[in-house]
Amino acid sequence: EDQVTQSPEALRLQEGESSSLNCSYTVSGLRGLFWYRQDPGKGPEFLFTLYSAGEEKEKERLKATLTKKESFLHITAPKPEDSATYLCAVLGNFNKFYFGSGTKLNVKP
Amino acid sequence: DAGVTQSPTHLIKTRGQHVTLRCSPISGHKSVSWYQQVLGQGPQFIFQYYEKEERGRGNFPDRFSARQFPNYSSELNVNALLLGDSALYLCASSLKGGQPQHFGDGTRLSIL
Repeated sequence: EDQVTQSPEALRLQEGESSSLNCSYTVSGLRGLFWYRQDPGKGPEFLFTLYSAGEEKEKERLKATLTKKESFLHITAPKPEDSATYLCAVLGNFNKFYFGSGTKLNVKP
Repeated sequence: DAGVTQSPTHLIKTRGQHVTLRCSPISGHKSVSWYQQVLGQGPQFIFQYYEKEERGRGNFPDRFSARQFPNYSSELNVNALLLGDSALYLCASSLKGGQPQHFGDGTRLSIL
């Protein structure tokens, strides 16, 4: 069964405490892996696209990496404004997108 | 430039009714996708349209249908509403299928 699993479900960090979020997938015919950030009451905001194993993308304090079975979103020295739910999505065969349930990140000052 | 716009922002319906949700994509984007997001979960893929044709469909019953118009805007229709259809309905657009999607802020649908 095609599915995307994110862990942990929730993560509490102190400001400046680096960590990683995990996205593992069992999706046939991976055509791309996408990371999004979602704030309460808003739609997801696009962060990164990764297309092949070994690929990395960076944006400010965020870095996304991809292997054949999983992706990591590394957060370096997070700030309170990084608090949000981070979603991972995989594009598989037949133009189907599969989203994980997200990791809710809370960064305390 | 305007982002993806959805209307209405909130809607209350009763069981058995029908609803139409609307989406305008970012200018120049020809692909529109629809998602259902239940509180505490990730979005569930419903449909993708590109150049006015259905290009992808998720595991939703036939009560759900959609279409895309010549100006690339889109409608999602849901018939015979059930309590379980209460959710945030998100629309996303992209230049074409497989490209990064940009989301609107959704329509919050409540079924009484």
